[in-house]
Amino acid sequence: ETGVTQTPRHLVMGMTNKKSLKCEQHLGHNAMYWYKQSAKKPLELMFVYSLEERVENNSVPSRFSPECPNSSHLFLHLHTLQPEDSALYLCASSQGLPTGAGEKLFFGSGTQLSVL
Amino acid sequence: QKEVEQNSGPLSVPEGAIASLNCTYSDRGSQSFFWYRQYSGKSPELIMFIYSNGDKEDGRFTAQLNKASQYVSLLIRDSQPSDSATYLCAVNGLTGGGNKLTFGTGTQLKVEL
Repeated sequence: ETGVTQTPRHLVMGMTNKKSLKCEQHLGHNAMYWYKQSAKKPLELMFVYSLEERVENNSVPSRFSPECPNSSHLFLHLHTLQPEDSALYLCASSQGLPTGAGEKLFFGSGTQLSVL
Repeated sequence: QKEVEQNSGPLSVPEGAIASLNCTYSDRGSQSFFWYRQYSGKSPELIMFIYSNGDKEDGRFTAQLNKASQYVSLLIRDSQPSDSATYLCAVNGLTGGGNKLTFGTGTQLKVEL
């Protein structure tokens, strides 16, 4: 158990559906992340929140909408997704040190998303 | 474009042998280097990190960093079947600020009985 909890573990949705992924961290960290992991591809950083402020939006399509109501919770709202968006979506957290030095990421168990 | 390159494998080693996993990176400004282990169907788990040139040992794991040659490696001594997993190399630079790790595609390790 890493201290980062993601729900749901699996999600199947149609292209017209709206769904949300939820992440909660119990580590007292200040930074939270969404990553996308597709087969045969490197982990792709999607969004970064530091102290509830979005500090990174890595050219992600607007059909993905993040929300960070506080430093412990992170959501990813999904709407009108495409089949190519099917992937493992991973939430992570880190201490959120201001130095910018490499931080250790703690990942949640991920949501395996299938878009039909 | 910053890149992190890993051989996808699979790398097969017999139980008890040393497994050597390699990673090269393109950004000379990179400062921090991480190895994550990912079991099939699970999320990545941090197992080693290294910031300075040289070796860093933690139990059966040794991370090696050579900034001049832009490579970082992970050695696993006395490999066990439970070490069978995909190992992700991740590199962090200071450019752009914040914690922006660039990951490789991972090397699949198989430890055979």
